[in-house]
Amino acid sequence: KNQVEQSPQSLIILEGKNCTLQCNYTVSPFSNLRWYKQDTGRGPVSLTIMTFSENTKSNGRYTATLDADTKQSSLHITASQLSDSASYICVVSDLKGAGSYQLTFGKGTKLSVIP
Amino acid sequence: NAGVTQTPKFQVLKTGQSMTLQCAQDMNHEYMSWYRQDPGMGLRLIHYSVGAGITDQGEVPNGYNVSRSTTEDFPLRLLSAAPSQTSVYFCASSYGTPEGDTEAFFGQGTRLTVV
Repeated sequence: KNQVEQSPQSLIILEGKNCTLQCNYTVSPFSNLRWYKQDTGRGPVSLTIMTFSENTKSNGRYTATLDADTKQSSLHITASQLSDSASYICVVSDLKGAGSYQLTFGKGTKLSVIP
Repeated sequence: NAGVTQTPKFQVLKTGQSMTLQCAQDMNHEYMSWYRQDPGMGLRLIHYSVGAGITDQGEVPNGYNVSRSTTEDFPLRLLSAAPSQTSVYFCASSYGTPEGDTEAFFGQGTRLTVV
């Protein structure tokens, strides 16, 4: 069964500090991996997508990495802001072919940035 | 831009009641889906549609019905509400299947409580 495991479950950091969130997956065959940000009471919003051939991708202060060999991804947040407080969800898509629809969601990491 | 609109945002039902959660998108996306999000769990797929007139079951379809008469709308029907259906429901749409480089856009969610 496809699985996506995220760590830590929750994290509290001081404003201005950096942090790294982890995602390990067993999804196969792998198609792509997305990181979503979900603010409290809102739907998830995509931050970045990683395909098999990509190692690193940045979106402002967010940098995602992917190691397809070890099936690990990380999301690094630089110079955190209060607005970064949210849940970060790792979502992996498998390659089942046209017409298929298979996403595996992690449980998310709840990040709290405090002044 | 409206994006994906869900109504209502909050709902309380009594056990055995039926109701319809509405979802509409204005991005002309072919692919739409319904997820539920429960504490400590990743989003789970209930039903999805790859185009008007076409629907299919996801991971947790029991107790729910869907239909897709137009590209824009994808309502989710609870036939006879049960306390186990207490959850936050998200509708999502995308231009293509998740296997490709397409982003799923989520609505703001419907928080449903069944008493």
